Amino acid sequence: KNEVEQSPQNLTAQEGEFITINCSYSVGISALHWLQQHPGGGIVSLFMLSSGKKKHGRLIATINIQEKHSSLHITASHPRDSAVYICAVLVYNTDKLIFGTGTRLQVFP
Amino acid sequence: NAGVMQNPRHLVRRRGQEARLRCSPMKGHSHVYWYRQLPEEGLKFMVYLQKENIIDESGMPKERFSAEFPKEGPSILRIQQVVRGDSAAYFCASSPPAYRDTQYFGPGTRLTVL
Repeated sequence: KNEVEQSPQNLTAQEGEFITINCSYSVGISALHWLQQHPGGGIVSLFMLSSGKKKHGRLIATINIQEKHSSLHITASHPRDSAVYICAVLVYNTDKLIFGTGTRLQVFP
Repeated sequence: NAGVMQNPRHLVRRRGQEARLRCSPMKGHSHVYWYRQLPEEGLKFMVYLQKENIIDESGMPKERFSAEFPKEGPSILRIQQVVRGDSAAYFCASSPPAYRDTQYFGPGTRLTVL
């Protein structure tokens, strides 16, 4: 079993839909990152969380430390949101990131 | 403040050749991390370096791979005698000394071994 699990693996949506991507982890962490990767492209850091909730534009990220679970929400999705979204955890007391396998999102007009 | 820079962005090598991947961290960042993304797989940690020191190389293959971060100049990930299985995207990230939980990623180097 992977230490970081994401669901779903693939997600399609119509423009305007509300999207949720989930991340569960089994290790102790000091922070959790949500990253975005476009096809053939680099990696952009969207959020870093250690507790609670963060919002940036149409993106919202939450984390529940007790349940070892985080969610990334996209409101009013748009085709340009199509990308792979990756959850990564910073293992407690280390500088090592462990990554989920990513969620491939496609938003159709 | 320029972001993390990696070069080359694309690198093609024949089996048996050497590949050198360079990473220039953001200004003021003294911590560098290398990650590998194999085709259709997730990112995997390779090595964590500070200036002139390897801190954690637990993700590095035991042979042919080495990394350095000299006092001056970029961090280098070196792969000797490349094989087809080394074809992947290699990403570098950097962080400042006071905020090591925040890593900024470079655009990656896509290595293709023919």
